[in-house]
Amino acid sequence: DGGITQSPKYLFRKEGQNVTLSCEQNLNHDAMYWYRQDPGQGLRLIYYSQIVNDFQKGDIAEGYSVSREKKESFPLTVTSAQKNPTAFYLCASSQAPQGGDTQYFGPGTRLTVL
Amino acid sequence: EDQVTQSPEALRLQEGESSSLNCSYTVSGLRGLFWYRQDPGKGPEFLFTLYSAGEEKEKERLKATLTKKESFLHITAPKPEDSATYLCAVCPNTGFQKLVFGTGTRLLVSP
Repeated sequence: DGGITQSPKYLFRKEGQNVTLSCEQNLNHDAMYWYRQDPGQGLRLIYYSQIVNDFQKGDIAEGYSVSREKKESFPLTVTSAQKNPTAFYLCASSQAPQGGDTQYFGPGTRLTVL
Repeated sequence: EDQVTQSPEALRLQEGESSSLNCSYTVSGLRGLFWYRQDPGKGPEFLFTLYSAGEEKEKERLKATLTKKESFLHITAPKPEDSATYLCAVCPNTGFQKLVFGTGTRLLVSP
């Protein structure tokens, strides 16, 4: 089955810890994205990558970091600098980075700060 | 500023009672408008992409339409399994694939 997988499904973080969320796709898509979803707000773009070894900041990149060493993988690290990290994190991918191409989403990771 | 507004915020229907969800947008050139369905605790599931005014797409009980300022998601004779949050997003003509999302419409269909 082709698709996007995210792990873990639930993640708990203590104050001052860095945590890494995994995102893998086997759709052979070039572009990958990370979004954050908070209650009552639309999805907000954290980082995106149009091609391997390249990534760009989205609207709310502060306190987050990413890497794109392989086409199928785009992990997100939530650092201790992120002041309010409790949220639902969604990874997405699209065939090509050009505008208008459909983005497909993974199942999400819910991060809670203890 | 690119913006998407969805209405109503929440909608309760009886099974079989048809209705429409609205997505109004202001954008600097539209490359595409997207509808997604999201169940609680899950990722958005792709439904439709619309590219130009006048375009319509259908899937089972759902039909999406697009004008120059808004899109409608029509739900015909809904069933309880259609209960979900429906998200609308637009892709502005910015040169890369950035989506601007609305806050969604929560739909509850009662038997």
